[in-house]
Amino acid sequence: GENVEQHPSTLSVQEGDSAVIKCTYSDSASNYFPWYKQELGKGPQLIIDIRSNVGEKKDQRIAVTLNKTAKHFSLHITETQPEDSAVYFCAASKAGSSGSARQLTFGSGTQLTVLP
Amino acid sequence: GAVVSQHPSWVICKSGTSVKIECRSLDFQATTMFWYRQFPKQSLMLMATSNEGSKATYEQGVEKDKFLINHASLTLSTLTVTSAHPEDSSFYICSARTGDNSPLHFGNGTRLTVT
Repeated sequence: GENVEQHPSTLSVQEGDSAVIKCTYSDSASNYFPWYKQELGKGPQLIIDIRSNVGEKKDQRIAVTLNKTAKHFSLHITETQPEDSAVYFCAASKAGSSGSARQLTFGSGTQLTVLP
Repeated sequence: GAVVSQHPSWVICKSGTSVKIECRSLDFQATTMFWYRQFPKQSLMLMATSNEGSKATYEQGVEKDKFLINHASLTLSTLTVTSAHPEDSSFYICSARTGDNSPLHFGNGTRLTVT
């Protein structure tokens, strides 16, 4: 099955600096890579996703890059703000066979702390 | 759009009792919902896939007789933790998607504490 590794487990940055979180995956058939933000006591919230036919995607201060050859993808947050502090999870999945819904395999999470 | 509502947000129960958690897709129909479990400072672990009108598919190591899943309608899936024990204390989160190739949206989770 798919295995997703995420680094670092914790990351502290000064407000205004950039933050980068990296993930690698094992199954070359995976073709969908979402990123989730989870605040304390809440469920994960989708912040950005990328499909395997795209190398980079950006949404305001958030961007994701994908290297299919190396099987890794990264989340980039620029101009970080204290409200960006949360746990971030990467995930990977592929379309299921026989029309079954795809399942996500999550990374271990990164606790991001933005220091004011 | 694509709002997933989970209820209750937290529950405390005594050991040996059963607890039911509801997961609703508020503005879309979901033929498939997923139930996850999350321990403190850990990642989400898929427990089971809930299929409307049919039996749930459980992940390896998850006891189907302990974690009963009922997906009776296109907008509601329930997870019942039967004969709960302190080791079942955890954060349970459901998720759903609007279509097979659509993003997965999560509820806000249920914090279960078994005393």
